[in-house]
Formats: sequence, C-alpha cells, structure tokens
Amino acid sequence: QVQLMQSGAEVRRPGASVKVSCTLSGYPLNETSIHWVRQAPGKGLEWIGGFDPEDGETFYAQKFQGRVTMTEDPSTDTAYLELNSLRSGDTAMYYCATLWFGAFPETAFDFWGQGTMVTVSS
Amino acid sequence: DIVMTQSPDSLAVSLGERATINCKSSQSVFFSSNNKNYLAWYQQKPGQPPKLLIYWASTRESGVPHRFSGSGSGTHFTLTISSLQAEDVAVYYCQQYFTTPRAFGQGTKVEIK
Repeated sequence: QVQLMQSGAEVRRPGASVKVSCTLSGYPLNETSIHWVRQAPGKGLEWIGGFDPEDGETFYAQKFQGRVTMTEDPSTDTAYLELNSLRSGDTAMYYCATLWFGAFPETAFDFWGQGTMVTVSS
Repeated sequence: DIVMTQSPDSLAVSLGERATINCKSSQSVFFSSNNKNYLAWYQQKPGQPPKLLIYWASTRESGVPHRFSGSGSGTHFTLTISSLQAEDVAVYYCQQYFTTPRAFGQGTKVEIK
C-alpha cells in the first residue's frame, strides 16, 4: 500500500526557513516523482514545484524561484521541501504528492501526504 | 504559463440533480502525438488532501463512482456529477499537467440546495 507520511506542524518567525519531509512507503522513491502543493487557509491549491522524469529536472513555480529547494534521499525514500525567507503569506498547509499519469495503458499514480501546516508569525 | 479558470466559483444543486463544473485553460493541453488531454479533476473535502477523480480529461480513477464524468478537449473541459449525493459536497479543482507550472483552477464549491 503506497503512503506518503509528512513531518509535523511547524511555526516560524518571518525571515526564517522551514524544511518539511515526506516519506514514501510501499514504492521506491527513485521510481516516481514528488511534487509539492500548498494551500493557504480557506484558499485554493497552489503548485510549488516537482520533478519531471521526462526532463530529469526539478521545476519550481516562478514565484518561489530562489526561495525553494526540493531534494530527495533515495536511501530513506524521503523527499524534502525547504522554503527560505518566510513571510506571513507562506502560512499554509503543504502537501507532497506523486501526481504521475501513464498514457498507455492509462494509469494514475496519484498519492498525497496528509499535509504539514506551516505557520509564519512574529 | 498556462492559467486555469473554473466556473462557476460555487453552485448549489438539489440532491439527485446534475452538477456541472467548467474549466478553461489559457492554452491547449492536448498533445496530438498521443491524442491525450493533460487534464485532471480533484475533489477536496474539509481537512483532507485532494482526491483524484478524473485524469486524461475523461478517465475515471479506480473506485470513483460512475456519477462522476469528465469531458472536453483542447482548452475547454467539464466535470459532471450526474446525480448529486450528500457526500459529494466538496470543492472541486481542475489541474493541467501538460507543462510546468502545473496550474490548478481556483476551485468550485459544490453545496446542496
């Protein structure tokens, strides 16, 4: 059974950094790709970035460029999201997800973590 | 970047009636080489992560009730709930995975009338 387990809630001051972990079980991390999505309280879903296996690169949404780093440790099947220079607008639930779709045959490998609440407050 | 726009922002439907949600992309998400539309639909209930309903614009995910269906191609897509049930109250999102950034629509809240 594939599961994504995320680290616990975090509280940070403005200007600080946060690192959220996401551990995959039931499937090897190096055979899939992890994406990160966030959701501010009462708001919609926002894609932060993810690994594109076809390009072999990690892509970040432009608004996070220079502030975000996504890494993976295949030895522990754990992915990490690090966000720097935090501001109040970064307060959100952060999700990791696999978000992979195969065309032939049509297959979805779409699993989500439970979410990690990050609160930025002075 | 591709921008996804959903309509309406919210709708109230009577139990057993049809609910229709529209999603428009600013650029085509259809890839002619494989004849696929790179479009997914998600359902999100309060306090839960999103749940995949539809991918490739019209393929129902395993375990998703048949009352959920997706249609459309190119830049215009529709999610239809043929007979709304109480457990379908949620926010629904479309997402394109044709290119990065993988934009989501702003969401459509579905309620019971």
